[in-house]
Amino acid sequence: DIQMTQSPSSLSASVGDRVTITCRASQSISSYLNWYQQKVGKAPNLLIYAASSLQSGVPSRFSGSGSGTDFTLTISSLQPEDFATYYCQQSYSTPYSFGQGTKLEIK
Amino acid sequence: QVQLVQSGAEVKKPGASVKVSCKASGYTFTSYDINWVRQATGQGLEWMGWMNPKSGNTGYAQKFQGRVTMTRDTSITTAYMELSSLRSEDTAVYYCARGVKLQPQGGTYSYYYMDVWGKGTTVTVSS
Repeated sequence: DIQMTQSPSSLSASVGDRVTITCRASQSISSYLNWYQQKVGKAPNLLIYAASSLQSGVPSRFSGSGSGTDFTLTISSLQPEDFATYYCQQSYSTPYSFGQGTKLEIK
Repeated sequence: QVQLVQSGAEVKKPGASVKVSCKASGYTFTSYDINWVRQATGQGLEWMGWMNPKSGNTGYAQKFQGRVTMTRDTSITTAYMELSSLRSEDTAVYYCARGVKLQPQGGTYSYYYMDVWGKGTTVTVSS
């Protein structure tokens, strides 16, 4: 099974900051990497698929990059509604494993 | 609009089974997979498996093999996830999510992602 590791596990930032979250796969997964945002008490919401494609309706301040084993999610200018937990997920092979999550908190 | 509506919360005793439903609307039910993902309180997301509503084909995470069954009723556009031999560690919120396959240009393997999620069903296992 492919293991996904995110860093950091938690992050404090301010409105307007640029934030980067990293996700590493235990083996190469090409670009088969998705990012989700989850707010407390809510279902996850797809942000990025295929490593860098922005899901329809997602603000352009979100972007994804990477291929192989190393990936990043960047939020260019944090907004109040962006404080949430973020998960990466590989879709290269089943089981479609998730990272452990990165909790983004207000500084 | 495209949505997945899940059944209500369940409380079960250890050793029992639970069956969670997920009703799809706003799109062609047989054109997309249904995945099941669970999340224990304060924990991360755990993928359980997928089902193709058109064929009924399924794929389960090894961890759940032998305990989980994913089925569907196309006449009412509803998917089901049944988990048996419940234990306290199965206490979690269970989500269904639509799985999308996207064929890349010039590529062999489809990208796969979950674009629509149900609101979740809380399953509590307690004696």
